[in-house]
Amino acid sequence: ELKVEQNPLFLSMQEGKNYTIYCNYSTTSDRLYWYRQDPGKSLESLFVLLSNGAVKQEGRLMASLDTKARLSTLHITAAVHDLSATYFCAVVRDSGNTPLVFGKGTRLSVIA
Amino acid sequence: DAGVTQSPTHLIKTRGQQVTLRCSPISGHKSVSWYQQVLGQGPQFIFQYYEKEERGRGNFPDRFSARQFPNYSSELNVNALLLGDSALYLCASSQLVLNEKLFFGSGTQLSVL
Repeated sequence: ELKVEQNPLFLSMQEGKNYTIYCNYSTTSDRLYWYRQDPGKSLESLFVLLSNGAVKQEGRLMASLDTKARLSTLHITAAVHDLSATYFCAVVRDSGNTPLVFGKGTRLSVIA
Repeated sequence: DAGVTQSPTHLIKTRGQQVTLRCSPISGHKSVSWYQQVLGQGPQFIFQYYEKEERGRGNFPDRFSARQFPNYSSELNVNALLLGDSALYLCASSQLVLNEKLFFGSGTQLSVL
């Protein structure tokens, strides 16, 4: 059974600081996704990582994937309040038609 | 272009009742998936439909059922509601059966009293 673990589950950080969210998964996977969810809202796709060593950046967020370690990171640079949200990673078990398995999410709060 | 649309946005039911949730995928998308998100947890897969056929089912009881129509819209039905069915139900669409990129709707918040 594919399991996805995120840590930390809660993160309070000051504006301007850097931090990293970690996503570990238990079995081989072809694809890893990062989503953002604001309170009461749906999921917004941030990144899709398809191969070992993949790195993608958008604004203050950068995601990377290490398939050998079964680890993805979401790095936040110089946090701003607008980044406050819950961030989910999700993994597909293999290249077939298998559903996304989500982590529990990291609830990020950026404070002044 | 419109995104994934779900209706209703909020719903209150009592235990034992039945509920139907609706989803319209992005135009051109043939695959629809349903996920349940309990407060404080990540979404959990319920069903996937592609070209009107069920292509996957998560670990949910038979009280949960779904179908996809010729226009690719979809309905999720839940019978004999339990308190534990209270959750945000998310619909996601993609062009193909493979989950290359899912686009999520805003969800239906179901409260069971």
